[in-house]
Amino acid sequence: DAGVIQSPRHEVTEMGQEVTLRCKPISGHDYLFWYRQTMMRGLELLIYFNNNVPIDDSGMPEDRFSAKMPNASFSTLKIQPSEPRDSAVYFCASSSPGTRHLHGYTFGSGTRLTVV
Amino acid sequence: AQSVTQLDSQVPVFEEAPVELRCNYSSSVSVYLFWYVQYPNQGLQLLLKYLSGSTLVKSINGFEAEFNKSQTSFHLRKPSVHISDTAEYFCAVTFQSTGGGNKLTFGTGTQLKVEL
Repeated sequence: DAGVIQSPRHEVTEMGQEVTLRCKPISGHDYLFWYRQTMMRGLELLIYFNNNVPIDDSGMPEDRFSAKMPNASFSTLKIQPSEPRDSAVYFCASSSPGTRHLHGYTFGSGTRLTVV
Repeated sequence: AQSVTQLDSQVPVFEEAPVELRCNYSSSVSVYLFWYVQYPNQGLQLLLKYLSGSTLVKSINGFEAEFNKSQTSFHLRKPSVHISDTAEYFCAVTFQSTGGGNKLTFGTGTQLKVEL
């Protein structure tokens, strides 16, 4: 298995632009999580899905952030409009109830977003 | 609700010296415990886990952690560190039950810096 795949690895954009981050979870995993990591706040859970349905989006900072999971193999996190304070590393992770206790989550390599 | 506390944000240590990274958790129910490692510019990787049984668990690269239920701790140790162990280490907890949304709660991380 190729693991959790995120794209792009790096993104630099201007303030006000729309940014879309992409994630492909491990096949068979029915939970998908989006995290944001910054020096100031550490690792923050933004939203997570179960069977493509958003379960908890209480960590989404503002209405500028939205996430979708149109099918079991793809999810997006969109920021519109982007602001400099959104600069961070965004991680996607996946797991399944059957293996959660064995492996925890499997993380992607992250997308480093810089908003200038 | 469950929570994880990592009191040390940074731990500097000389190569070949022993190290302990502290982790305390709070939960009213039985939990699974994990340590993740994040090397620079990479995602989080599972280092080791406690599920049940023996309270001392070990990783393949010499780290070990001991589950202490009375002290609600899961400290990470290594008797002799190497430069390559320089990374950020995250403690995480999840409920043993299948409920709870399959969510891992992460600590704020401890930056281990190994010096020559």
